[in-house]
Amino acid sequence: DARVTQTPRHKVTEMGQEVTMRCQPILGHNTVFWYRQTMMQGLELLAYFRNRAPLDDSGMPKDRFSAEMPDATLATLKIQPSEPRDSAVYFCASGLVGRATDTQYFGPGTRLTVL
Amino acid sequence: KQEVTQIPAALSVPEGENLVLNCSFTDSAIYNLQWFRQDPGKGLTSLLLIQSSQREQTSGRLNASLDKSSGRSTLYIAASQPGDSATYLCAVVLTGGGNKLTFGTGTQLKVEL
Repeated sequence: DARVTQTPRHKVTEMGQEVTMRCQPILGHNTVFWYRQTMMQGLELLAYFRNRAPLDDSGMPKDRFSAEMPDATLATLKIQPSEPRDSAVYFCASGLVGRATDTQYFGPGTRLTVL
Repeated sequence: KQEVTQIPAALSVPEGENLVLNCSFTDSAIYNLQWFRQDPGKGLTSLLLIQSSQREQTSGRLNASLDKSSGRSTLYIAASQPGDSATYLCAVVLTGGGNKLTFGTGTQLKVEL
């Protein structure tokens, strides 16, 4: 049963610290998405990759956030320096995208708390 | 900018009741629309996907309809069960939108015994 995995599941850190979140997409999927979920804003797309190349990161604060896919089995989202307003659940999703029937498969999320 | 709204924000029903969740979107040039389920502390699970050329999709007790011209979709749940309690989110992909999902605000459903 293939699944998207994310680590860590929970992270508590202090303001100003670097945070790295990792995602392992489902093997064979060509697209990886990063979303952020908060009570106030709901689910928002931060960035996504197609065949490891960044396609759109317009939803991401560029000054402190960065997203990469060093290889097909790993996507990372980094925040440096972190701020209390970054507290949220960060989801990674992957999909084999290219047709109108394609869906995305979500990981369990990383719950980030910045004190 | 596509905006997706869901009504009601929360719903509580007794077990066995049939119910309808509503989703509206502002841009009708959609590629597809999906309904997801989210359980507390968990990720999202895709329930139904409707292509822009389709009017509805069914899976078990779930039926989703799509009316692009009015910018609306509904998720019908028949004979609700306590296990259906979760947050339901609709999401749309715009034509030419690169498969980017724009999510609605969600409906939190509680089915009581």
